Amino acid sequence: AQSVTQLDSQVPVFEEAPVELRCNYSSSVSVYLFWYVQYPNQGLQLLLKYLSGSTLVKGINGFEAEFNKSQTSFHLRKPSVHISDTAEYFCAVSDHGDKIIFGKGTRLHILP
Amino acid sequence: EAQVTQNPRYLITVTGKKLTVTCSQNMNHEYMSWYRQDPGLGLRQIYYSMNVEVTDKGDVPEGYKVSRKEKRNFPLILESPSPNQTSLYFCASSLARGTDTQYFGPGTRLTVL
Repeated sequence: AQSVTQLDSQVPVFEEAPVELRCNYSSSVSVYLFWYVQYPNQGLQLLLKYLSGSTLVKGINGFEAEFNKSQTSFHLRKPSVHISDTAEYFCAVSDHGDKIIFGKGTRLHILP
Repeated sequence: EAQVTQNPRYLITVTGKKLTVTCSQNMNHEYMSWYRQDPGLGLRQIYYSMNVEVTDKGDVPEGYKVSRKEKRNFPLILESPSPNQTSLYFCASSLARGTDTQYFGPGTRLTVL
């Protein structure tokens, strides 16, 4: 059975500092990996996804993630955060593209 | 405008009173899905549908029903709601599969007393 773990429930970071949000998964087969973002009082929207190919995936708003098969990780990074990045971030995994398992989410707090 | 709509946005009801939350998309998407979001638990998939008349269980299907009679609509039915179904519900759709970009609705906040 597949599962996904987001190691940090909350991450505070100063504006213009870099950030990394951690995500680890477990699956017995090949996986598809996603990061979604939820801004306050809104639905989720896709940041980026890994289906195959290059392990470094670039997404919207300057975010990127790296698929590491040996570490079973898919950490999300941004070199310089902005106040508008305040949101909850969800990592998700799917082993066949239909049933999707989301992590519990990481709240990103941007400090002025 | 391409969008997923849900109705109602807010609902307070009592235990055992059947209710339906509607979901509609105008993007001609084949894949639709329902999630519930609870504090500390993240999003959990309730049901998904690959196409008309094709539905399957997600991770937490107990107490819910769905139907997909038309491509654009995917209602979520609670036949006998209970307080543990108090949650924030999201409908989502994507072109063909869950791996395609999912477009989420604005959410329905349900309270069952």
